Amino acid sequence: ETGVTQTPRHLVMGMTNKKSLKCEQHLGHNAMYWYKQSAKKPLELMFVYSLEERVENNSVPSRFSPECPNSSHLFLHLHTLQPEDSALYLCASSQRGAELDTQYFGPGTRLTVL
Amino acid sequence: AQSVTQLDSHVSVSEGTPVLLRCNYSSSYSPSLFWYVQHPNKGLQLLLKYTSAATLVKGINGFEAEFKKSETSFHLTKPSAHMSDAAEYFCVVSDMETGGYNKLIFGAGTRLAVHP
Repeated sequence: ETGVTQTPRHLVMGMTNKKSLKCEQHLGHNAMYWYKQSAKKPLELMFVYSLEERVENNSVPSRFSPECPNSSHLFLHLHTLQPEDSALYLCASSQRGAELDTQYFGPGTRLTVL
Repeated sequence: AQSVTQLDSHVSVSEGTPVLLRCNYSSSYSPSLFWYVQHPNKGLQLLLKYTSAATLVKGINGFEAEFKKSETSFHLTKPSAHMSDAAEYFCVVSDMETGGYNKLIFGAGTRLAVHP
């Protein structure tokens, strides 16, 4: 595997379900990000982890819970979601301290909340 | 605060004709600028990035962008469109956050349609 991978690619869940999104980066980076992409809205940054510590929580509801167990893996735990949470969730990684901190994105998880 | 405006939400061109996607930015200092492309049901792919080394930046798939400080613009161009270029394109400016990471500020996107 190369680059940034995300699983699952598609997820349908009910409002009472608990599920998790997984992201893995194979680039040796030290920062990882979760973004939400909704129809007709700009990409929204949700969480940032740098050196496995959360450095940004962009006013995201508590029904979204991130976890970064090591520099290569990032999870987004979901529970009691609402239909308006249906969106494409994108993971990205970058190298903090590099001359230009370029973010590389995964393919995304398309989430549908019924 | 940094911001970016993509001047066209939709652009339609014929295959083989030039492509111009317009982007203006607002920044209080020398910005870092990017163009990303997103094909249907895919993630974002980096097309090119401006690092202040050269004002004309060449990217993948024949795309290039020119940084013009006097116009605060970073327009994306390609001499000849291909059907596979049909996608959504995002102009992005980078802002250094107090947490020490580069926060990306995305434009609203321009959807490029390419007709035979």
